[in-house]
Amino acid sequence: KNQVEQSPQSLIILEGKNCTLQCNYTVSPFSNLRWYKQDTGRGPVSLTIMTFSENTKSNGRYTATLDADTKQSSLHITASQLSDSASYICVVSVRNGGTSYGKLTFGQGTILTVHP
Amino acid sequence: NAGVTQTPKFRVLKTGQSMTLLCAQDMNHEYMYWYRQDPGMGLRLIHYSVGEGTTAKGEVPDGYNVSRLKKQNFLLGLESAAPSQTSVYFCASSFWRGINYGYTFGSGTRLTVV
Repeated sequence: KNQVEQSPQSLIILEGKNCTLQCNYTVSPFSNLRWYKQDTGRGPVSLTIMTFSENTKSNGRYTATLDADTKQSSLHITASQLSDSASYICVVSVRNGGTSYGKLTFGQGTILTVHP
Repeated sequence: NAGVTQTPKFRVLKTGQSMTLLCAQDMNHEYMYWYRQDPGMGLRLIHYSVGEGTTAKGEVPDGYNVSRLKKQNFLLGLESAAPSQTSVYFCASSFWRGINYGYTFGSGTRLTVV
């Protein structure tokens, strides 16, 4: 069964500190891995998308890494800001033969709270 | 350019009532999706559409119907609402081309069935 597990479930950090969120997956055949940020009461917004051949991708203060061998990914947030308080969702896409639609499997998210 | 717009944003239904959630996108995306998000769980796919006039079942389709009469609109219907359908519903859309296609999500509809 395709699964995406994220840890920790929740995290509290002080403004200005760094943090790392983890994602383990058992999705196969693997197509790509995405990290989304979801603010309270809003829809998810894409941060990064990585394919099998990419092992790191950055978007401002967000850096995602991917180890396709161990099926692990991490999202590192540098110099956190109050606006980083949100749920961060790891999403893995399945390669689906010759079609372009690859089913997404969503993790349950890590709730990050940044305190001043 | 509004992206993906969902209406309504909030709704309270009584058990057995029906309603339709509307999703509209202005990005000319081929693919559209309906997800539900429940506490402690990842988003789950209800139905999706790969183009105008097409629909397909996702992971949790029971109790829902959909229609895609126009490319820009994707409707989600609940014929007889049940308390188990209390959830936050998200619509999303994407282009079909390329492996790195991005999804654009709406801001959600919070539905409570009492």
